[in-house]
Amino acid sequence: GAVVSQHPSRVICKSGTSVKIECRSLDFQATTMFWYRQFPKQSLMLMATSNEGSKATYEQGVEKDKFLINHASLTLSTLTVTSAHPEDSSFYICSARATGAPHSNQPQHFGDGTRLSIL
Amino acid sequence: AQSVSQHNHHVILSEAASLELGCNYSYGGTVNLFWYVQYPGQHLQLLLKYFSGDPLVKGIKGFEAEFIKSKFSFNLRKPSVQWSDTAEYFCAVNARPGGYNKLIFGAGTRLAVHP
Repeated sequence: GAVVSQHPSRVICKSGTSVKIECRSLDFQATTMFWYRQFPKQSLMLMATSNEGSKATYEQGVEKDKFLINHASLTLSTLTVTSAHPEDSSFYICSARATGAPHSNQPQHFGDGTRLSIL
Repeated sequence: AQSVSQHNHHVILSEAASLELGCNYSYGGTVNLFWYVQYPGQHLQLLLKYFSGDPLVKGIKGFEAEFIKSKFSFNLRKPSVQWSDTAEYFCAVNARPGGYNKLIFGAGTRLAVHP
């Protein structure tokens, strides 16, 4: 149980393109989803926290207009990298936290990640 | 700001050797502590966690970790590693209250176990 599907697993596109990454909780409902970015040989950096039905909370230094996050249902959150440039190339990972009480003690379940390469 | 430091980026061991991976965090308040493992080609999985109580935490697959508050450490240990333990290990911390909110990850330690 507790499977998180992330799609696509890899995407290569031209500079200036917008790219959408989907994160789905397959067998549970997720009140909260998290988006991370990982650079080579570095740790996962939290980009934003999205709660179903409300605006995402972005970490300091993350451009809201660059990385659009939508969490329209309890099983789907999307991250759209708008007008992507080579510096946006990275490994993006989502995680989902199940509903349930106490909510804060529910573990995060991680997707397999999306490798984004901008040419 | 919270930060997590993992001392070893790469560790190479032979099967049956003992393992200890270091993890230190910087935060003065109460924390939740985690170790995650990422096997080759797979997603991050929770290995063990500490919220409160006994500072020696037992996890899956024979792993354990000890929370030493005075040293701001949460080192991961396994008495005898197996080839199947080859993976990348991430230490993570979250300030309470919040449980699993806003995990801060260390840079990871890549473990290679040779038969």
